[in-house]
Amino acid sequence: SYELTQPPSLSVSPGQTASITCSGDKLGSKNAAWYQQKPGQSPVLVIYQDSKRPSGIPERFSGSNSGDTATLTISGAQAMDEADYYCQTWDIGTEWVFGGGTKLTVL
Amino acid sequence: QITLKESGPTLMKPTQTLTLTCTFSGFSLTTGGVGVGWIRQPPGKALQWLALIYWDDDARYSPSLKTRLTVTKDTSKNLVVLTMTNMDPLDTATYYCAHTMGSGPFDSWGQGTLVTVSS
Repeated sequence: SYELTQPPSLSVSPGQTASITCSGDKLGSKNAAWYQQKPGQSPVLVIYQDSKRPSGIPERFSGSNSGDTATLTISGAQAMDEADYYCQTWDIGTEWVFGGGTKLTVL
Repeated sequence: QITLKESGPTLMKPTQTLTLTCTFSGFSLTTGGVGVGWIRQPPGKALQWLALIYWDDDARYSPSLKTRLTVTKDTSKNLVVLTMTNMDPLDTATYYCAHTMGSGPFDSWGQGTLVTVSS
């Protein structure tokens, strides 16, 4: 079965750039998506098709995907960006796959 | 505007069968490419995809849970139903339904419903 691996946690200071990675076999050949989940809330799609932002998502959120790694970048991270972030892709065998999540702390 | 809402029991006993309903608005499950998926999240843990049904009744299941899951739809009532048999305490989780197109990401999510399995 296909698996996605994320670092459990990342801490940055306000205004710094946060880069969250997601690794999977030949992930660059698939479409990657990213979700933000704040405590007690449902996940929100922030990046799809590797680098596209849904309407309403701030420009400081960007994404890339190459080789075995997809990356979510938050430029100028703010306190409001503190959340859990999950990567996700679709694989022909396993279908929809989520990563284990990364807890982003901004302080 | 797409909205989805899950409903069902909050407390179950081991071995029982769970039935969850996802009621939605803002889209039609008769439109080509549209799907409604189910995802769960145990307390403090990661998201796990469970199942999905497409506009054409094509149903997909997580390989690890496929023997326990059934997903159906009622397009006239704008709802999708997930059943999971033989519930276990390890199935305690918040269960979400969500909208997608094709094999794309889940772009709209319900609020989730917490299901606790305990004897």
